[in-house]
Amino acid sequence: GAVVSQHPSRVICKSGTSVKIECRSLDFQATTMFWYRQFPKKSLMLMATSNEGSKATYEQGVEKDKFLINHASLTLSTLTVTSAHPEDSSFYICSAERGREGIEQFFGPGTRLTVL
Amino acid sequence: GDSVTQMEGPVTLSEEAFLTINCTYTATGYPSLFWYVQYPGEGLQLLLKATKADDKGSNKGFEATYRKETTSFHLEKGSVQVSDSAVYFCALLHGTASKLTFGTGTRLQVTL
Repeated sequence: GAVVSQHPSRVICKSGTSVKIECRSLDFQATTMFWYRQFPKKSLMLMATSNEGSKATYEQGVEKDKFLINHASLTLSTLTVTSAHPEDSSFYICSAERGREGIEQFFGPGTRLTVL
Repeated sequence: GDSVTQMEGPVTLSEEAFLTINCTYTATGYPSLFWYVQYPGEGLQLLLKATKADDKGSNKGFEATYRKETTSFHLEKGSVQVSDSAVYFCALLHGTASKLTFGTGTRLQVTL
């Protein structure tokens, strides 16, 4: 159990377009989901924390209007990269916290975004 | 703020060699500590964890002991296999916000 999926796994888009990435908890309800960005040879950087039914909490330095997060249900959170630019190219990873256990997050396989 | 420092990789070992990947942390109080593993093309998976000082987490032959006095959580395995080739991340969880702080990751390459 505790499987998290992401879709798409890879996406290539033109500069100026918007891209939506989905994160789903397949076999459990996730009250809290997290979005990370992973740079090459660097660590995962937390972008935002998303709670079902409420606004996401963004980390310092992350543009809210650039990275739109919606957590509409207990099994789905979406990240939309608006007006994407080449510098937004990265590996985006989501994780989900099962119920209110708090201690463990389950990670999706990631989405590779390339902006041309 | 909280931070995690890992040894830089890549680490290249022959099969059956002993593995140590160092991890130290900076945090106030008593964070929970984790090792995650990322196999090629896959997401992060929890490898092991420890929630209090002197706890030893273990899984799949890997071990790490939560050392409060040295603020360390070094990952060890007595005999690595080719299938252990992956990137290993040390992380800590602190406070009530469930925010994980990750190290930069250490790539392990095991050869025959």
